[in-house]
Amino acid sequence: DTEVTQTPKHLVMGMTNKKSLKCEQHMGHRAMYWYKQKAKKPPELMFVYSYEKLSINESVPSRFSPECPNSSLLNLHLHALQPEDSALYLCASSQEESGGARGTQYFGPGTRLLVL
Amino acid sequence: DAKTTQPTSMDCAEGRAANLPCNHSTISGNEYVYWYRQIHSQGPQYIIHGLKNNETNEMASLIITEDRKSSTLILPHATLRDTAVYYCIVRVDGGANFGNEKLTFGTGTRLTIIP
Repeated sequence: DTEVTQTPKHLVMGMTNKKSLKCEQHMGHRAMYWYKQKAKKPPELMFVYSYEKLSINESVPSRFSPECPNSSLLNLHLHALQPEDSALYLCASSQEESGGARGTQYFGPGTRLLVL
Repeated sequence: DAKTTQPTSMDCAEGRAANLPCNHSTISGNEYVYWYRQIHSQGPQYIIHGLKNNETNEMASLIITEDRKSSTLILPHATLRDTAVYYCIVRVDGGANFGNEKLTFGTGTRLTIIP
């Protein structure tokens, strides 16, 4: 089973709203990722959590606040977003493997966010 | 991570083998070649990866040249459901830095399967 789930599937929010995106996996993976994908562009990495600690922040604006409350759950808290933040937000997870390439990433279906 | 070059788009007839090339001429010895695909509006789907040897799984085959400067993803019997954007990504094995690996997506190849 390589399933990563994301909720909600779609989200519309105003620029003054606070909302959260949720990502969950039950594969025992210990690294989780947030990517952002604008229309007709490739995904771009935002954050990486490894063993529940933030290991990479790709200079993401503070209006995006990640949280990893446990090894199965990853949240992305959104506050005071701009219309240009409208995008598909993808979550991924990976497991350290013994031998071979470590950390093959498995992606969720994404949350499509529209900021009005 | 090394940069990859892929054709912008390709067509393939349904039932034929789809061969998707990728150039990664600056690849380093500890970098793996990964392939993902993204069907419209869905999350990227892992297909296959390799280091030096050719690899095959239930989805595809990966052929890596001996000098490792290029590779080809082969979908042996393409179906309409294989229509997607295919990304070739070169990535360093995180090793002791597990969780610090980054997937840097290029623009990919838009593969269209023709009925």
